[in-house]
Formats: sequence, C-alpha cells, structure tokens
Amino acid sequence: GENVEQHPSTLSVQEGDSAVIKCTYSDSASNYFPWYKQELGKRPQLIIDIRSNVGEKKDQRIAVTLNKTAKHFSLHITETQPEDSAVYFCAASIRSGGYQKVTFGTGTKLQVIP
Amino acid sequence: IAGITQAPTSQILAAGRRMTLRCTQDMRHNAMYWYRQDLGLGLRLIHYSNTAGTTGKGEVPDGYSVSRANTDDFPLTLASAVPSQTSVYFCASSDSPLGTDTQYFGPGTRLTVL
Repeated sequence: GENVEQHPSTLSVQEGDSAVIKCTYSDSASNYFPWYKQELGKRPQLIIDIRSNVGEKKDQRIAVTLNKTAKHFSLHITETQPEDSAVYFCAASIRSGGYQKVTFGTGTKLQVIP
Repeated sequence: IAGITQAPTSQILAAGRRMTLRCTQDMRHNAMYWYRQDLGLGLRLIHYSNTAGTTGKGEVPDGYSVSRANTDDFPLTLASAVPSQTSVYFCASSDSPLGTDTQYFGPGTRLTVL
C-alpha cells in the first residue's frame, strides 16, 4: 500500500523566514496531493493541493511543488507569520479498491518565533 | 447546519460500553469517511462510504462499525469500547470518491476509554 513519509517532524523558524516541509510517497499511481493545516484542538483544514498533472502551484505565501519522477512533494511557506504556527499534514490520494484512499504523513509541527 | 458537524465534542467512556459517534453533513457530498488521529501516527482511515447505502473498511476497522442510511449521516459505533480506542475521531466528506476531491473535516470528537 501507499506509504507517505514527512519531514521534519518539528520546525522552528523566525518570523519572516521561509519554511519548507517535505514528503515522499511510494505509490506512483497516487494522483492528488493535499496539504492540511491543523491548529491545536481544531480540525484539519485544506490549505493547498496539487494534482499529478501539475508541477507547482502557488497561493499567496504558500506554494507546493511535485516531482512525480522522484515521488516527492514539498510545501513552501514564505514570509512566515506567528499565525502560521500549527501542525501541517501532507497526504497522497489514489482511487483504490473503489474508494478515495488518502494516506497522511505523520505531521510537521511548525513554530514561528516572533 | 453549515458544513460538517460531529457529536459529542468529547466523551469519557468505561471500557466495555457501547458508543456511537455522530456525523452529519449538509453539503450533499456523496462520500464520507471516519478517521482516528493519534499522536505520532497522523490520521488513519477507519471506514468509508462512497454513497448512501454502501460502506467499506479502511486501514483500521477492527472494533468499529458504520452505517449510511442517507446522504447526510454517517454514524460510527464502538460496540464494546477498549482503552486502545482512546483517540480523536474526525469525520470527513468529499463530493465524490474519484480520488481527486478535497476532503472536508468535521470538528472532531475526543474519546477517552477508561
């Protein structure tokens, strides 16, 4: 089955610096890669996603890149702000056995230091 | 109701008791999912439903059952709770089960089994 590895598990950056979170996946048939942000005690919320026919996608300070050949994708947050502090999950999605199988990474706790 | 809701917010349960976690969405999404979230393990799929009247097993289904009598509701039942089922449970939904649709999460239920 699909295996998603996420690094680092924790990340501290100074406010204004960039943060990069990296994920790898094992199943080359995965075709959808969402990123979720989860604040303490809250639900995971989608912040950006990318499909397998796209190499890069940007939304203001957030960007995601996908390298299908190497089977890895990354989240880039520029000009970080304290409100970016949260746990971020990557995921790889595939239609498998009749349902949308989404495999999540184990999360990265991002701390933005003011 | 707007979006996806869960009840209860939290629950402390004695081992051996039966418990049903409720999930309701008003987005007319076809697919619904139950995940459990444990520290260091990310989100793991328990059961899913592609459409009303159908359900399937996810990654960690043992000890749980679900039903999908209509589009809006997707309850999760623990027939005889055990301490290892202590977790935060998230319900999610997506428009279709094709594999590339965003999953939207409910606010979660924090369950403690003593």
